[in-house]
Amino acid sequence: DTAVSQTPKYLVTQMGNDKSIKCEQNLGHDTMYWYKQDSKKFLKIMFSYNNKELIINETVPNRFSPKSPDKAHLNLHINSLELGDSAVYFCASSWAGRGTEAFFGQGTRLTVV
Amino acid sequence: GENVEQHPSTLSVQEGDSAVIKCTYSDSASNYFPWYKQELGKGPQLIIDIRSNVGEKKDQRIAVTLNKTAKHFSLHITETQPEDSAVYFCAASSDNDMRFGAGTRLTVKP
Repeated sequence: DTAVSQTPKYLVTQMGNDKSIKCEQNLGHDTMYWYKQDSKKFLKIMFSYNNKELIINETVPNRFSPKSPDKAHLNLHINSLELGDSAVYFCASSWAGRGTEAFFGQGTRLTVV
Repeated sequence: GENVEQHPSTLSVQEGDSAVIKCTYSDSASNYFPWYKQELGKGPQLIIDIRSNVGEKKDQRIAVTLNKTAKHFSLHITETQPEDSAVYFCAASSDNDMRFGAGTRLTVKP
């Protein structure tokens, strides 16, 4: 069983389109994250949610809208896609609070053409 | 917010040599410091972690040290093997917030 699963694994789309990436974790964790990894491999936090509540929104354009229907799911919707949105997006989950390992999904490679 | 600096960005060693990666952090509230290994096409995976009440931790060929006063922590890999080649990330964590360093691409030459 995959602990943190993201779909799709690859996504190629045209500029201006709207797309969603889904994430589910079966670890019972109450905190979930979205990270963006650019071509230089830098892992930048975008959002974190704890029990469906937004905790961190790290100066991400409002074209990016996370949605957490329950604590096992954190989906990422992106409106009006731009070339600069091309990256690998990772979902992760952990237990709340300090001192806990984050488990990562396999990533979604988004290419905007 | 937290700012994590990681050096070097690339590191090449001969098989059997040691590799050291260093990180610094800025937020004194951080008290959990994990290290992740990312192989090509995969998500980062935890290889070792250390909490702020501990100065050093070792797991077989991997060790981490933490100097909380100086806000430094390091990863040491001894007797490196070709399968250690990957991108390594340090991170500092506090309150549902985990910030990563920029990563170190380690290449172990056979």
